[in-house]
Amino acid sequence: DQQVKQNSPSLSVQEGRISILNCDYTNSMFDYFLWYKKYPAEGPTFLISISSIKDKNEDGRFTVFLNKSAKHLSLHIVPSQPGDSAVYFCAASDGSNYKLTFGKGTLLTVNP
Amino acid sequence: DAGITQSPRYKITETGRQVTLMCHQTWSHSYMFWYRQDLGHGLRLIYYSAAADITDKGEVPDGYVVSRSKTENFPLTLESATRSQTSVYFCASTHGLRGEQFFGPGTRLTVL
Repeated sequence: DQQVKQNSPSLSVQEGRISILNCDYTNSMFDYFLWYKKYPAEGPTFLISISSIKDKNEDGRFTVFLNKSAKHLSLHIVPSQPGDSAVYFCAASDGSNYKLTFGKGTLLTVNP
Repeated sequence: DAGITQSPRYKITETGRQVTLMCHQTWSHSYMFWYRQDLGHGLRLIYYSAAADITDKGEVPDGYVVSRSKTENFPLTLESATRSQTSVYFCASTHGLRGEQFFGPGTRLTVL
């Protein structure tokens, strides 16, 4: 049973426009959410996180929104740049241990 | 070099052979993790460790063995490799409950 779902395997946007990556979760015990970015032949790198006590967290061009009632979070990238082209993983933690549960990832392609 | 390293970066082995993937981190993080990344599955946790000599199973532990005699090292051993263990393996570490995980560059393992 997949507890963290990224239903869009891929997304293509134009440079300068907004990219919106979505993530749904089923485990109501999850209370901390993270986004990771992964380039080919490299390990994932942490991008941004949000605690369940917040509904929004912003860091430069990246904003994560959390809708707890819908068990949904999204990552907004504005404006999108070609260097943002990568696989983005959503991850969640329930606070009882140090494990993260990852989604399958979304491949973002930003076209010049 | 500071950070988290994995060796080898690429490995080809044959079915039935034993192979060990190495992971080393210089931050003295207590927590370390092994993941595998497969197309259509995202990142799945194999084993994790909360401290030296403390390890526990993740989502897909079958066929793998870990040890952690020193805080900085967390080797993953495939005792008798199978073709289904062909994957990219990532090691990660973290400093605390809400700390993001830092990933190594990965090891691409092919089992023939």
